[in-house]
Amino acid sequence: RKEVEQDPGPFNVPEGATVAFNCTYSNSASQSFFWYRQDCRKEPKLLMSVYSSGNEDGRFTAQLNRASQYISLLIRDSKLSDSATYLCAVNIGGAQKLVFGQGTRLTINP
Amino acid sequence: NAGVTQTPKFQVLKTGQSMTLQCAQDMNHNSMYWYRQDPGMGLRLIYYSASEGTTDKGEVPNGYNVSRLNKREFSLRLESAAPSQTSVYFCASSEITSYTFGSGTRLTVV
Repeated sequence: RKEVEQDPGPFNVPEGATVAFNCTYSNSASQSFFWYRQDCRKEPKLLMSVYSSGNEDGRFTAQLNRASQYISLLIRDSKLSDSATYLCAVNIGGAQKLVFGQGTRLTINP
Repeated sequence: NAGVTQTPKFQVLKTGQSMTLQCAQDMNHNSMYWYRQDPGMGLRLIYYSASEGTTDKGEVPNGYNVSRLNKREFSLRLESAAPSQTSVYFCASSEITSYTFGSGTRLTVV
């Protein structure tokens, strides 16, 4: 089993729709969780951290479910500019290094 | 403020050739990382350096060596390139676990 798993998609949704992704992790000792956004042929960039209490940044909401060992990302009122690959990342076992999921490709259609 | 700078941006090597990928950060981060990204595989950690003077293997270290030259610089060396090393290589640095990535090196080994 991979340490961090994501549905690779692709997800194709109409503009204005709400879309959600999940990411599962296998190590219950994981401490830190993140969502990164990666545009085509670009480097990943931090979208948001995921806290135990969940967090929201505008149209984006991230949540952590420790019992079921997954994190989620919800995008409301999706925009064409949200088209990208979304990578989840998990800090495994207290070390600073992150393990990344394979990414979920999202395309927002007009 | 440059952040993380990688050179070169593109490279084509013949099988058996060697090369060094350079990475430098100006954020005074202690930790630096080298990842490779292949289609459908996500980002996989090659080597990392938790602090100046230390390096450790990641998930896929075979065929690579690294040098943490000083706090700013972390280089990745391919001693004898193989076609399986065709990939996009990303360097990153971090303080705690929030990563900043370089723009990547697209390497093709023929």
